[in-house]
Amino acid sequence: AQRVTQPEKLLSVFKGAPVELKCNYSYSGSPELFWYVQYSRQRLQLLLRHISRESIKGFTADLNKGETSFHLKKPFAQEEDSAMYYCALYGQNFVFGPGTRLSVLP
Amino acid sequence: ETGVTQSPTHLIKTRGQQVTLRCSSQSGHNTVSWYQQALGQGPQFIFQYYREEENGRGNFPPRFSGLQFPNYSSELNVNALELDDSALYLCASSLTPRGADTQYFGPGTRLTVL
Repeated sequence: AQRVTQPEKLLSVFKGAPVELKCNYSYSGSPELFWYVQYSRQRLQLLLRHISRESIKGFTADLNKGETSFHLKKPFAQEEDSAMYYCALYGQNFVFGPGTRLSVLP
Repeated sequence: ETGVTQSPTHLIKTRGQQVTLRCSSQSGHNTVSWYQQALGQGPQFIFQYYREEENGRGNFPPRFSGLQFPNYSSELNVNALELDDSALYLCASSLTPRGADTQYFGPGTRLTVL
């Protein structure tokens, strides 16, 4: 079975503070992991994927197979980072987590 | 290059009715996936079409069906609507079914079943 959990529904941080959005998954095979983001009044869009090992808008995410985690991190949060973030796994098909709303306070 | 579009934006139906939702993929994208997003939850995979054939299905009953056309448009049909079908329905197109290919989402259709 494929499953993605995001333990925090809402995460509030102050501008300039570090942010970490948690994601854990379960899948028996080798999954592909993604982070999607939805800004206010915009459509869902890909933020980054683990195979690219890229940094997008200052965000990074490392796949930890031992802990089955794919946490999203940014060292200094900006107000424009406020959005809904979804962790997603692709195994047999796409499975999305329930999402975490990040609120960056001024 | 145009983005993914969906119609209608909103729809209200009553229990037992049938509904058809439409999606227009990005030009050149042979793959379309449909998702149901209930309030406060993440998108849930319904099914995927690749080159007009169903290419994978999530845990949804057969009353959820789809079609994909050669002109990059697709439909999601839901028969015998139930109250729990009330949700935002998203379509997403990609070049191929490979998970690594970027999915481009439409704005969604909000379905309310009364």
